[in-house]
Amino acid sequence: DTEVTQTPKHLVMGMTNKKSLKCEQHMGHRAMYWYKQKAKKPPELMFVYSYEKLSINESVPSRFSPECPNSSLLNLHLHALQPEDSALYLCASSHRLSNEQFFGPGTRLTVL
Amino acid sequence: KQEVTQIPAALSVPEGENLVLNCSFTDSAIYNLQWFRQDPGKGLTSLLLIQSSQREQTSGRLNASLDKSSGRSTLYIAASQPGDSATYLCAAFNAGKSTFGDGTTLTVKP
Repeated sequence: DTEVTQTPKHLVMGMTNKKSLKCEQHMGHRAMYWYKQKAKKPPELMFVYSYEKLSINESVPSRFSPECPNSSLLNLHLHALQPEDSALYLCASSHRLSNEQFFGPGTRLTVL
Repeated sequence: KQEVTQIPAALSVPEGENLVLNCSFTDSAIYNLQWFRQDPGKGLTSLLLIQSSQREQTSGRLNASLDKSSGRSTLYIAASQPGDSATYLCAAFNAGKSTFGDGTTLTVKP
């Protein structure tokens, strides 16, 4: 298995909803990443996990809450989002930090 | 803070042409530089990774070079095809994270 999977593919939520994005890889990678990408912009790093521990938090608002329950799974819990949070959310993994990153297909999030 | 710039922002070429995409970065203390392609609305596909100790990497019609001292990388695409049309992004890795350029949108016309 050489891919990163993300669910759901699309998500529409209201500003009072709570939802979660899920990312999974079975390549034995020990670093996992969340990125946010707005239209026609490059991905912006949100969080980095290394060996299931939060390594980098790029000053992301607390309405985004990451979780790494094991070495294969990475979740992003969403609560009280704003319309400007609508974007493509990308997950990536690498063997270790500084190794080649592999990206999932993303979750297209729309906040109404 | 690392800053990554890609030139040009957009490029349109006829099929069969060889072309070069440019990437520059301000902090030369990088661990690696990675090139990606992204199709509209999709995730990123890794094309080539160059470690800081390497000068170039090749995969098929693609060749990427790295000059850390000048803070530059280039992606060379030989014999371009319409299927190469996409946005190409470079990302410099240092301080535990990747910083992306804004990308070059390539259109290859049949």
